[in-house]
Amino acid sequence: GEDVEQSLFLSVREGDSSVINCTYTDSSSTYLYWYKQEPGAGLQLLTYIFSNMDMKQDQRLTVLLNKKDKHLSLRIADTQTGDSAIYFCAEIPGGKLIFGQGTELSVKP
Amino acid sequence: DAGVIQSPRHEVTEMGQEVTLRCKPISGHNSLFWYRQTMMRGLELLIYFNNNVPIDDSGMPEDRFSAKMPNASFSTLKIQPSEPRDSAVYFCASRHKPGQGASGANVLTFGAGSRLTVL
Repeated sequence: GEDVEQSLFLSVREGDSSVINCTYTDSSSTYLYWYKQEPGAGLQLLTYIFSNMDMKQDQRLTVLLNKKDKHLSLRIADTQTGDSAIYFCAEIPGGKLIFGQGTELSVKP
Repeated sequence: DAGVIQSPRHEVTEMGQEVTLRCKPISGHNSLFWYRQTMMRGLELLIYFNNNVPIDDSGMPEDRFSAKMPNASFSTLKIQPSEPRDSAVYFCASRHKPGQGASGANVLTFGAGSRLTVL
């Protein structure tokens, strides 16, 4: 079946690293995605990783993919208060984007 | 480009009334998605269209919900009659055909959402 799971909350201090984890079920997804939702707004694409990659780095963001365990993580280095938001991982079995429940990241000064 | 445009941004209505939510996708995008977001159920895919044709409506909760896409630049999601449990934020998203743009990834662009409250 199609299922994407994330922990619901994460709290970090400003300047620390944040790691948001996700597990998924569909091994046929060619890409896996991270979206960010700020309060009162829609989702915005943060980054994505091709399924034949193990890691992708984009400035403060590092995505790690373990295909064997179907585990995806997003690391945010030097987390800032502006990073406070809900982060969704997503897979795309059969053409439709399926999202996890979202992880609410709270960054304390 | 103005992005995906949804209207209304907020709607408050009474149980039993008809609700129509509207979406204008990004010009040139050929897929359109309707999602519903609630605290309890997270982000649920309701229906999606490719080239104006409904492909998968298995997420539409009941017959009270219907969606149309009469042309490439407009879609509606209708709830008739509405119930308090329909209260949620409804998002529309559009996507260009995979293979165009960055390395074939399926990138959805979301609208700002329509917050519906049914009393």
